[in-house]
Amino acid sequence: GESVGLHLPTLSVQEGDNSIINCAYSNSASDYFIWYKQESGKGPQFIIDIRSNMDKRQGQRVTVLLNKTVKHLSLQIAATQPGDSAVYFCAENTAGGGADGLTFGKGTHLIIQP
Amino acid sequence: DTGVSQDPRHKITKRGQNVTFRCDPISEHNRLYWYRQTLGQGPEFLTYFQNEAQLEKSRLLSDRFSAERPKGSFSTLEIQRTEQGDSAMYLCASSRLARVDNEQFFGPGTRLTVL
Repeated sequence: GESVGLHLPTLSVQEGDNSIINCAYSNSASDYFIWYKQESGKGPQFIIDIRSNMDKRQGQRVTVLLNKTVKHLSLQIAATQPGDSAVYFCAENTAGGGADGLTFGKGTHLIIQP
Repeated sequence: DTGVSQDPRHKITKRGQNVTFRCDPISEHNRLYWYRQTLGQGPEFLTYFQNEAQLEKSRLLSDRFSAERPKGSFSTLEIQRTEQGDSAMYLCASSRLARVDNEQFFGPGTRLTVL
């Protein structure tokens, strides 16, 4: 079978704990950021996004933080559940109407321990 | 189901054969994107369309790769003379017309295995 974790950082947390997944980006011109969740054998699923004129945005159980000074993005998941187990990718895009596709990071494999 | 759909979900082919994949975007979305994802990596952007116009194709991996969206609705991605290195998941995504917040919705992907 696939060994998805072979090339990915792994984060293992206990069910019910909070998770923080980090992402560094390199393009200072990026002005739109998205977190995607990808389960095995499926396409990426949108979780939450943030524009560069914001530094924090909250959704249901998720919060995204953006630090443009150090080009760092994080995803916080509150009270993790077994269904949160997946690979999480950050993605970035630049202004100008989104002329290019998204640039994805390497991903983090989140494992929820019972 | 009103999401992005892709067909086939799996394709096994022999080296040297041509393959074609289809993507049906969300109906009101003008933009359609193709990505490739190899094992353990994030998706890699290949090309995109705005309606029927292919606005970016310099990121296609080689001249063996081509994509079409003839009527501005569904799209096809063709790989000619497949090589074992083409084995990957091919993802399609769609989004509304140009906005700064370019939220893209992904399909389930087509997994290609080249023997």
